Amino acid sequence: GAGVSQSPSNKVTEKGKDVELRCDPISGHTALYWYRQSLGQGLEFLIYFQGNSAPDKSGLPSDRFSAERTGGSVSTLTIQRTQQEDSAVYLCASSLGGQGPTDTQYFGPGTRLTVL
Amino acid sequence: AQTVTQSQPEMSVQEAETVTLSCTYDTSESDYYLFWYKQPPSRQMILVIRQEAYKQQNATENRFSVNFQKAAKSFSLKISDSQLGDAAMYFCAYRSNTGKLIFGQGTTLQVKP
Repeated sequence: GAGVSQSPSNKVTEKGKDVELRCDPISGHTALYWYRQSLGQGLEFLIYFQGNSAPDKSGLPSDRFSAERTGGSVSTLTIQRTQQEDSAVYLCASSLGGQGPTDTQYFGPGTRLTVL
Repeated sequence: AQTVTQSQPEMSVQEAETVTLSCTYDTSESDYYLFWYKQPPSRQMILVIRQEAYKQQNATENRFSVNFQKAAKSFSLKISDSQLGDAAMYFCAYRSNTGKLIFGQGTTLQVKP
């Protein structure tokens, strides 16, 4: 079946502009995660959605970052007033949800964001 | 807070040989899961192998196996009969009951023909 998809693949924006990154999880996966991969910070957790529960936003670096998940499926990560330090690859992952060993996260190809 | 450490930024191996990538972690939890992911230049993170902390038996997936030492908090990945397609960055990851993954810094593996 189809894997996790993300769009756009690459995004170049100017400092101060807002950007939206999209993630389509694997069908039937109730859990969705956003991570950021940058040279200086490695791979960092940003936010986690599980079903209808309130999201775990503990990894969001500032209030310029927000995410929503509509209808329990597609998710959008929004970065307002982008800064150069926001330049990174943003990875989305989904899983079946739950705590067992079958709850493995499967990743999308990522969106490379470059802020000029 | 949990941490994951990969102390080898780069490793190289001759094709058909065996290589071991190291990973250590720190946690106070007793129940957790460990993973190795592979990230080729395409950026796609691919699951290589996973290990449940409550299992003493080391996980194996074809040419990939782990050496899980719970007391030592060590989780190394062994790749046997290395192939050119194994060249990638490898990440060790820890998953706790909160669900999120905590990653190590990654090890870039070069496979020489």
